Amino acid sequence: ETGVTQSPTHLIKTRGQQVTLRCSSQSGHNTVSWYQQALGQGPQFIFQYYREEENGRGNFPPRFSGLQFPNYSSELNVNALELDDSALYLCASSSLDRVKEKLFFGSGTQLSVL
Amino acid sequence: QKEVEQNSGPLSVPEGAIASLNCTYSDRGSQSFFWYRQYSGKSPELIMSIYSNGDKEDGRFTAQLNKASQYVSLLIRDSQPSDSATYLCAVPVLDTGGFKTIFGAGTRLFVKA
Repeated sequence: ETGVTQSPTHLIKTRGQQVTLRCSSQSGHNTVSWYQQALGQGPQFIFQYYREEENGRGNFPPRFSGLQFPNYSSELNVNALELDDSALYLCASSSLDRVKEKLFFGSGTQLSVL
Repeated sequence: QKEVEQNSGPLSVPEGAIASLNCTYSDRGSQSFFWYRQYSGKSPELIMSIYSNGDKEDGRFTAQLNKASQYVSLLIRDSQPSDSATYLCAVPVLDTGGFKTIFGAGTRLFVKA
């Protein structure tokens, strides 16, 4: 167990709806990264938060947004859901280290968009 | 765009054999490299890291790095059925949009009893 918790574990939404996913980071970690993993693919980087600021962003549209709170927990928000947003969403916490970043993943949220 | 590439497999080896997993990366400036293991239906877990050219051993696992060839590999000795999983190669990079760790698509490994 990594100490990173995500909620909910599963979620079913319909196209056009909005969703919020939550993540609590491991004790001692100040950085949270979010990834999207489609079936049979590697995790795709969405964005990273450090000290409540976005610290890096992948190739995802603006309808993917996030927040980090003073206790380093984080939220991922997705607006106007599309069918292709169906995937496993992974949160990973770490201590900010641009060279040797070791990621500790939560168990993920499986999102299904119908 | 910076990339990490892996053979998606599946790679099938008999129990007790050596499994060899390979990864190439595009960013010559990369300094650290990681292997994560992901069991079906679970999240990735870190199993190895390597920062210098050469070999790094940890139990049955050996990571090998060749920066000149932009190549990193993972060897699993005495493979066990419990090693059956997807192995993800990951590389932290500084790219457009900022800093991030990028993953390969993963190699599926099956160890036959």
